[in-house]
Amino acid sequence: EIVLTQSPGTLSLSPGERATLSCRASQSVSSSYLAWYQQKPGQAPRLLIYDASNRATGIPDRFSGSGSGTDFTLTISRLEPEDFAVYYCQQYGRSHIFTFGPGTRVDIK
Amino acid sequence: QLQLQESGPGLVKPSETLSLTCIVSGGSISSSIYFWGWIRQPPGRGLEWIGSIDYPGRTYYNPSLNSRVTVSVDTSKNQLSLRLSSVTAADTAVYYCARSLLQYKYGMDVWGQGTTVTVSS
Repeated sequence: EIVLTQSPGTLSLSPGERATLSCRASQSVSSSYLAWYQQKPGQAPRLLIYDASNRATGIPDRFSGSGSGTDFTLTISRLEPEDFAVYYCQQYGRSHIFTFGPGTRVDIK
Repeated sequence: QLQLQESGPGLVKPSETLSLTCIVSGGSISSSIYFWGWIRQPPGRGLEWIGSIDYPGRTYYNPSLNSRVTVSVDTSKNQLSLRLSSVTAADTAVYYCARSLLQYKYGMDVWGQGTTVTVSS
């Protein structure tokens, strides 16, 4: 079973700054099946990135994803006030199992 | 526009079975291009995938919950169901249903608003 680790646990940044979030897998993940989600308090998660680097419909281009194998990154180029939230990576793997990472909280500094 | 709405009892006693439904509106539940799934989130914690079902009705479960979980689809009612047996306080969580779209490499692109379930006597 693949375990996803996200770092840092919390990222404190100011609006306009660049955010770099990491997701590491315990074994190689097909990049086609690596996704990123954003969750705000009291809301359901929202799909941001699928296939490691493709933005879902309606997602602003300040969000980008990259990576392969065991190391993946979500980058927010310039933080907007509405981007302060928790971000989760998720993989879909063998035996049709989905796994979420523990999340990274992006806080206002 | 596809919408999902979870419903079920907000309070379940320990050792009993939790049963939730998810009504799918604005689209058909029957398609080979997506899965339907359940995800939960304990208070103050992260997301945990519970299980999914595809159009032919094949089910896939989180190994840690496998023996207690049943996910099913009723195509006549366009709804998804979850049953979780022998619940304990550790099953207290917000439960979400979601669609995993093949086009998005099974990324979960549509979510319900979630329903809170508390396990307590």
